[in-house]
Amino acid sequence: DAGVIQSPRHEVTEMGQEVTLRCKPISGHDYLFWYRQTMMRGLELLIYFNNNVPIDDSGMPEDRFSAKMPNASFSTLKIQPSEPRDSAVYFCASSSIATTNEKLFFGSGTQLSVL
Amino acid sequence: SQQGEEDPQALSIQEGENATMNCSYKTSINNLQWYRQNSGRGLVHLILIRSNEREKHSGRLRVTLDTSKKSSSLLITASRAADTASYFCATRETGANNLFFGTGTRLTVIP
Repeated sequence: DAGVIQSPRHEVTEMGQEVTLRCKPISGHDYLFWYRQTMMRGLELLIYFNNNVPIDDSGMPEDRFSAKMPNASFSTLKIQPSEPRDSAVYFCASSSIATTNEKLFFGSGTQLSVL
Repeated sequence: SQQGEEDPQALSIQEGENATMNCSYKTSINNLQWYRQNSGRGLVHLILIRSNEREKHSGRLRVTLDTSKKSSSLLITASRAADTASYFCATRETGANNLFFGTGTRLTVIP
């Protein structure tokens, strides 16, 4: 298995633009998590899905952020409009409590810079 | 905040020495996990310890858990330069399916 795949690897955009981050979880995993990592705030859980259904989005900073999981093999995190304070590394992770003993598998992340 | 706190924030040791990192958390947990992050990469799972366990070993890693003090420690024995990375603890609260990560310890192993 190729692991969790995120794209793009790097994204540079201007304030006010829409940003879409993509994630392909490991096949067979039924949980998908979006985290954001910054020096100031560390790793923050934004939202997680179980069987494609959003379970907890209390970590989503504000209405500018939205996440979808249209099927078991794809999820997106969208920021519109983007702001400089959104600059961070965004990680997607997947897990299967039944088969992976609850551990998370992380993608390589998307480094987002909003100018 | 639901995040744990790691101590120390940074640790620098010589190759061959042992490295100990500590984690404190605030809530009742189902399990606690340790992850490693190399610079510019995603996190990699190292070891999981459940709330009813007190100690666990995996290779050169030893993890302890004290639920009465809400704390855990990660010991890396006979450290190597390749162990240089950031180490994070993560807690799964009782009845929850998400993980909350600590602030991390940056470990540097000097060859």
